[in-house]
Amino acid sequence: GAVVSQHPSRVICKSGTSVKIECRSLDFQATTMFWYRQFPKQSLMLMATSNEGSKATYEQGVEKDKFLINHASLTLSTLTVTSAHPEDSSFYICSARGTFPHRANTGELFFGEGSRLTVL
Amino acid sequence: ILNVEQSPQSLHVQEGDSTNFTCSFPSSNFYALHWYRWETAKSPEALFVMTLNGDEKKKGRISATLNTKEGYSYLYIKGSQPEDSATYLCAFPRDGQNFVFGPGTRLSVLP
Repeated sequence: GAVVSQHPSRVICKSGTSVKIECRSLDFQATTMFWYRQFPKQSLMLMATSNEGSKATYEQGVEKDKFLINHASLTLSTLTVTSAHPEDSSFYICSARGTFPHRANTGELFFGEGSRLTVL
Repeated sequence: ILNVEQSPQSLHVQEGDSTNFTCSFPSSNFYALHWYRWETAKSPEALFVMTLNGDEKKKGRISATLNTKEGYSYLYIKGSQPEDSATYLCAFPRDGQNFVFGPGTRLSVLP
């Protein structure tokens, strides 16, 4: 089946630094990827939709300048948390819709492993 | 505001017991309803994608039903095993593409 790889799985950084998280589709082309954030004991909250070759579409309340998304190729989307602060500490996870030959008709999402960000 | 709700929040069952939990979603503008299983330290994986009212899908000991008119789906696990322990998420694409996830039901199956 389709595989999505996310890296790094854990990152600890100092307040004010920027952190980049990568999401790769390993065996299929992902024209669209989705970035989610999860706070403890809460749902996965959609942050933005990442579109290959164009600007990301952000959900209401998500700061575009804070969470930079780049989808430069059909297999890679990156999320950069700029000038991270302790309140940005969270679990971030990406997903992509399967495309040929992986279950393109079902619309199911294939997820990365997630990244736990801790900002000191 | 589009809400997807799940109940119960958590569940402990004994090995061999059967169990079920609920996902409720807005019944208007229905596109599909997805169920995912999320085991600790792994990626969420799709269990079912359901699109038609009255759908019933089955994968091994796990099955799901769908009622789009009243906005709910049930997930059933027959003869629970410790390896079924996971968080079960349902998700609803609010506009056909962007998914709203429920908070999940955390299942623990005790040996």
